[in-house]
This record gives sequence, C-alpha cells and structure tokens, in this order.
Amino acid sequence: QVQLQESGPGLVKPSQTLSLTCSGSGDSFSVTSYDWAWIRQPAGKGLEWIGRIYNTGNTDYNPSLRSRVSISLDTSKNQLSLKLTSVTAADTAVYYCARYGLFFGGARAFDIWGQGAMVTVSS
Amino acid sequence: QSVLTQPPSVSGAPGQRVTISCTGSSSDIGAGYDVLWYQQPPGRAPKLLIYGNNNRPSGVPGRFSGSKSGTSASLAITGLQAEDEADYYCQSYDTSLRALFGSGTRVNVL
Repeated sequence: QVQLQESGPGLVKPSQTLSLTCSGSGDSFSVTSYDWAWIRQPAGKGLEWIGRIYNTGNTDYNPSLRSRVSISLDTSKNQLSLKLTSVTAADTAVYYCARYGLFFGGARAFDIWGQGAMVTVSS
Repeated sequence: QSVLTQPPSVSGAPGQRVTISCTGSSSDIGAGYDVLWYQQPPGRAPKLLIYGNNNRPSGVPGRFSGSKSGTSASLAITGLQAEDEADYYCQSYDTSLRALFGSGTRVNVL
C-alpha cells in the first residue's frame, strides 16, 4: 500500500513562496506511475483543490490560484512538489498531497492521502 | 465558498440511519460528473468512502452507500457507529474537470 508524506517549512513569511514536497513509500512507489493532486484545508474549514499533475507532466490548477501556483514532478527524487508564490495569511492551511487514482470503469478519485503539512503564513 | 452545498451537521443515535445531501448545479453534478465522498475524522486526513457515485473502495464497510439524482447526491450511513463521527465531504467536477468539494457535514453520534 502506498503511503504519502508531505514535508516543508511550517512557517512562511507574507509575500514569500511556499514550497512543499510529497514523498511516497511502499508498493514500488513511482511518481511517474500515477497522477497526483494537492488539496488544502484552512483550520476549521473545508477542502480546497489546488491542482493536479498527470504522469505526463501536464497540469490543471484551481482558477483562483492559477497565477501563483506550480505543481511539478521531480523524477530524480521520485517526489511531487508544490510552489505557491506571494503568500498571504489566507494561504495558512494544512496542505495535503493525494494520489489521483483510476478505478475499474474509468472512475477517478483522490484515493490515497498524505497526513498533511501545516503551513502558517506570518511575519 | 463551496460550490457544492451540504448541511453543516446531521445527528443520529447508534444503529440509526443518517443521510447527507450534496447539492450542486447543472454545471457540475447535473452535467453528469461523478460524485465522490470522503470521510475525515477529527485531526486526520480525509479518506475515500465512495467513488463513481455509488462504489465503495476495498475496505469501506457496506453500511456506507452513495446515490445521485439530477443536480444532487446523497451519502447514507446505516447502522451508525461511534467511529462514524467525522466530517464528510462530497466532491465532483466542473465543466473544465476541476475538482469541486462540498462545504462539509459533521456527523454527530448521539
């Protein structure tokens, strides 16, 4: 069973860039074998989809974040990464990476989630 | 603000049946896109419960079931158990296949 783990700074200053990575383990984990997504959740609030990256490297982003977000695959490190520029307090949240899995019949879902990384934007 | 609307909370006694609604529009659920459901226990990461409107991944108990009709969907939990106390989120897509999440529903087991 694949397990995911997010990592990165827990505190980022306003106007700077938030950078997180997602590593996996188990079942011959390879970032190029699946599609992936980043999702975030402010404290006490709901889930917000940030974007996804296909194993081809193609990406889709939430329109509300598109101008500031970048998701990429680092095949040499077998990791997924997220960068969010010009952050403000509104970007304070738990950030999750998730596998965008494919089920029989073509149905897709965020079927495996990391435990989440808390990122606070504050000076 | 979530595009998919859910009730803030539902409650039930152990053993009872509860349902959670998820209301969208003709641009998402009503456009024929799949509805999914996730369970998030307090302080934990979300877990996939239902995909493809009414399919359970391996390991999810049969007392969880999903349905979809028109611009809405529902999650039913039968035989409610204490461990079911959690937040539940529906998810679908818009016409650009961007993922949309519901506002979330807290299930309270009395």
